[in-house]
Amino acid sequence: DTEVTQTPKHLVMGMTNKKSLKCEQHMGHRAMYWYKQKAKKPPELMFVYSYEKLSINESVPSRFSPECPNSSLLNLHLHALQPEDSALYLCASSQLGISGNTIYFGEGSWLTVV
Amino acid sequence: SQQGEEDPQALSIQEGENATMNCSYKTSINNLQWYRQNSGRGLVHLILIRSNEREKHSGRLRVTLDTSKKSSSLLITASRAADTASYFCATGMTTDSWGKLQFGAGTQVVVTP
Repeated sequence: DTEVTQTPKHLVMGMTNKKSLKCEQHMGHRAMYWYKQKAKKPPELMFVYSYEKLSINESVPSRFSPECPNSSLLNLHLHALQPEDSALYLCASSQLGISGNTIYFGEGSWLTVV
Repeated sequence: SQQGEEDPQALSIQEGENATMNCSYKTSINNLQWYRQNSGRGLVHLILIRSNEREKHSGRLRVTLDTSKKSSSLLITASRAADTASYFCATGMTTDSWGKLQFGAGTQVVVTP
């Protein structure tokens, strides 16, 4: 079962709100990723977790806070976002750290900041 | 900066025709992956080709890789209306061990019945 599940599918939040995006995979993958995608643009990497530890932060603003509670779950906590943060947020997973493994993506969470 | 550049940016064909799109990249890679994205949806993995491979097939899909030219192509044969989507190439670089992907700008394909 090659599936990455993301919730919620759609989220509208105000600039003072705190919300979270959630991601789950049961493929035994030990690398998990957050990507951000603006309309008509390719996905851009935000964070990489390996063995539940943050390995890469692509200079993402601190208003985005990732968390990996266990090997199957990945969260993205959102606080004090700006309207320009509105985008599709994609979670992905793969076998750990060996470049050359397939990376599987979820359906994404559409975020609108008002 | 984006690793891959895709050509063409947009492609409009009729059902039954073949669709070819190209991807060029700049640095040494371990692998190149092709993804499909339907409007407003997530990315669906199509094919992974490793740097020591030259060609791979999956159903109606054929991918080639020319590391000397730093380019790859995706051919969709006998296209269907359901193939309408954006197609992205994504490269995994030799200097990376975390599975980072660098995406190309994408090719938007429209297949008309």
